[in-house]
Amino acid sequence: EVQLVESGGGLVKPGGSLRLSCAASGFTFSSYSMNWVRQAPGKGLEWVSSISSSSSYIYYADSVKGRFTISRDNAKNSLYLQMNSLRAEDTAVYYCARDSDGDYLLDYWGQGTLVTVSS
Amino acid sequence: QLVLTQSPSASASLGASVKLTCTLSSGHSSYAIAWHQQQPEKGPRYLMKLNSDGSHSKGDGIPDRFSGSSSGAERYLTISSLQSEDEADYYCQTWGTGRVFGGGTKLTVL
Repeated sequence: EVQLVESGGGLVKPGGSLRLSCAASGFTFSSYSMNWVRQAPGKGLEWVSSISSSSSYIYYADSVKGRFTISRDNAKNSLYLQMNSLRAEDTAVYYCARDSDGDYLLDYWGQGTLVTVSS
Repeated sequence: QLVLTQSPSASASLGASVKLTCTLSSGHSSYAIAWHQQQPEKGPRYLMKLNSDGSHSKGDGIPDRFSGSSSGAERYLTISSLQSEDEADYYCQTWGTGRVFGGGTKLTVL
């Protein structure tokens, strides 16, 4: 069974940093590109960042470019999101999601971790 | 620019059918999409991949009540025999430079 479990969320002050983790199991993690997607309170889904299976290709939404860094450790079956210079508008539930085999449609999601940026 | 457009809300009665629409922006009518369901206070769940020719493949454990179809730039999700647990937000998704989401449709089951 495919499982994605996020952790690392919490309350942080504006300008602060946080590192999210996503532990993957039930599939060959190193064969799939992965994503972070967020959802602000009462809002829709917003793609944040993607990373290819070997970390060769990395993309960011304009809203987080230069502040967030996606990475992965295939030996540990883990995905990460380093978030710096956090702003109030970064407050959201952050989801880890897998790209399906052969295209870039998301086919598995984690349960999410809440990040709150507030003084 | 690749944009997915969804109606903000829809409603239908218990036991009835409903058809939700996702419209691809001009020049992108050949794109495949995915449909995702998000029940209240839960994370999203992948429902299916839907191709431009209407062929679709569903995710693990998705009931037969859920089906997809396509016409031009429109992608549809049909839910038949509506149940109370189908009350949720439904998002369509595709990819461009990154992953692209529609704004979501909130489905109310009356």
